[in-house]
Amino acid sequence: GDSVTQMEGPVTLSEEAFLTINCTYTATGYPSLFWYVQYPGEGLQLLLKATKADDKGSNKGFEATYRKETTSFHLEKGSVQVSDSAVYFCALSDRKNTGKLIFGQGTTLQVKP
Amino acid sequence: EAQVTQNPRYLITVTGKKLTVTCSQNMNHEYMSWYRQDPGLGLRQIYYSMNVEVTDKGDVPEGYKVSRKEKRNFPLILESPSPNQTSLYFCASSKQGITTDTQYFGPGTRLTVL
Repeated sequence: GDSVTQMEGPVTLSEEAFLTINCTYTATGYPSLFWYVQYPGEGLQLLLKATKADDKGSNKGFEATYRKETTSFHLEKGSVQVSDSAVYFCALSDRKNTGKLIFGQGTTLQVKP
Repeated sequence: EAQVTQNPRYLITVTGKKLTVTCSQNMNHEYMSWYRQDPGLGLRQIYYSMNVEVTDKGDVPEGYKVSRKEKRNFPLILESPSPNQTSLYFCASSKQGITTDTQYFGPGTRLTVL
């Protein structure tokens, strides 16, 4: 079945460091891909998405490119801030239109001043 | 403000005592669903609803029931909770539930079953 694999956390960075969180997926067909962020004590919020191959999603300085050839959707940010500390989830939505999101296990990011 | 609300936010109960977690959205979305979040497993879908009176099982439906009598509400019912249902639960909604839709999540309900 479809699945999403994220790099293990936690990831600890200093402020202004470069961030990469790896995400790879397995799916039949061409899913839509998402990054959601969960701040402490809150629900998930959409960070960015890409709905077809080679699309780049971007928001709040974060970027991810839908790479069909490597089945990847890695999250990057050039300069992280303390306020970026959160749990990041990669997810896919398959083409069956059931609305179901399949999530990775989440990666905790801690940014230190 | 467009939002998904859940109640209660925290609940501690005992094995076998029926409970309901409510979910409501004010965005006129057709699609709603429930997920549970467990450490190391990410989120897994419990049930979903494409529209009023239309519900279907997700990946982990055992021990749960849902109903969709109105478009805005989608309660999750645990008729006989067990300790393995201790988890963090999220309700979500989207416009139509199609592949490209953005899903909007509620703040979560932390349930402990003793």
